[in-house]
Amino acid sequence: NAGVMQNPRHLVRRRGQEARLRCSPMKGHSHVYWYRQLPEEGLKFMVYLQKENIIDESGMPKERFSAEFPKEGPSILRIQQVVRGDSAAYFCASSLQGAADTQYFGPGTRLTVL
Amino acid sequence: EDKVVQSPLSLVVHEGDTVTLNCSYEVTNFRSLLWYKQEKKAPTFLFMLTSSGIEKKSGRLSSILDKKELSSILNITATQTGDSAIYLCAPNFGNEKLTFGTGTRLTIIP
Repeated sequence: NAGVMQNPRHLVRRRGQEARLRCSPMKGHSHVYWYRQLPEEGLKFMVYLQKENIIDESGMPKERFSAEFPKEGPSILRIQQVVRGDSAAYFCASSLQGAADTQYFGPGTRLTVL
Repeated sequence: EDKVVQSPLSLVVHEGDTVTLNCSYEVTNFRSLLWYKQEKKAPTFLFMLTSSGIEKKSGRLSSILDKKELSSILNITATQTGDSAIYLCAPNFGNEKLTFGTGTRLTIIP
């Protein structure tokens, strides 16, 4: 029974490049959440998606960041023109149902921007 | 704005001791509160609390919610070195997302 999968686990990018982070939810889960954890800080909500829909993107920076969860395939968090301040651990979580349900986390992608 | 405060920020105890971790929140529309354990990887789910005064227990760990005081505690008895981690409290304010505290860093000395 595979848990939430994320890849890559580590990603190094130079300033100005694009970063693509992937998340495959637990089997049967259709709710996906992305969180960011900056060094020495807590987890901060970024975006909540269901299949083919963005439900809440209130935590996502307005520029350079986008997320999708297509009908087929993993959820993608995309960061364009990365800057040093984007260096963080990005965690994906999934749940079977929505707000009332437990969110299970993936191992995270650690992004380092040089 | 919804706010979550965990205390203490860090705690160092000897193996075998009992610890109590605190979480308090300011809420607009409380629905549930979750506890997670984070080592050097993904937060691992521990408990979900929705009802006040009902203790949830899993081995040496237990947790309880006090809706009147807007708080929750996580207890760990007979601590072991494997309990060393950051413990995160995350109320769900009914808007689909979890609001995390900064966590309590627990270190168990052998």
